[in-house]
Amino acid sequence: QSALTQPASVSGSPGQSITISCTGTSSDVGGYNYVSWYQQHPGKAPKLMIYEVSNRPSGVSNRFSGSKSGNTASLTISGLQAEDEADYYCSSYTSSSTPLYVFGTGTKVTVL
Amino acid sequence: EVQLLESGGGLVQPGGSLRLSCAASGFTFSSYAMSWVRQAPGKGLEWVSAISGSGGSTYYADSVKGRFTISRDNSKNTLYLQMNSLRAEDTAVYYCAKGSLQGVSRSDAFDIWGQGTMVTVSS
Repeated sequence: QSALTQPASVSGSPGQSITISCTGTSSDVGGYNYVSWYQQHPGKAPKLMIYEVSNRPSGVSNRFSGSKSGNTASLTISGLQAEDEADYYCSSYTSSSTPLYVFGTGTKVTVL
Repeated sequence: EVQLLESGGGLVQPGGSLRLSCAASGFTFSSYAMSWVRQAPGKGLEWVSAISGSGGSTYYADSVKGRFTISRDNSKNTLYLQMNSLRAEDTAVYYCAKGSLQGVSRSDAFDIWGQGTMVTVSS
């Protein structure tokens, strides 16, 4: 099972909206509605931002939203803010026997 | 406050052993599956191992199977990772992460993470 594919970097200006993609296969992203997204600031632990494709945990800003189409999931950040600059990782249910959990390759978001 | 605090990392020679601990607080520890996830320097996240809330079910990534052992002591609210036969490629920050279900499920997400502990395997 290979890692899910994400763009290495995405950038945007404050106030803009950006979208990060996460591409897998019908055995993971495309086959199940269990995609999650994590935000990681430098030197910090990851933080759950989205689970089950589009659900936000309590306390996560509604500027963050998730969706899925076919084998590609997406995380959209609207009203981009300086504090959103971080690495973002997707993760998906996979029907492969191993590993139990697969993560994306990660995307560096830069606020210009 | 829900919190996870890892400890036990450090510098170890190839072939050596290390035991990581993760102390949990602020939630009913035995009610949730737990995992270890690692991140090599400058790299992405890699799931390592998971254990059910009761401790009765354990799972491992192929890269660590047979070398690492996950366990938990629910009376002490603590998760462990015993790492043997360490290799240079095991060098990483190791995070413990809480699942949202008692059983280990592929559909689960990790809703709480510790701050991580660094493991360096080098001679």
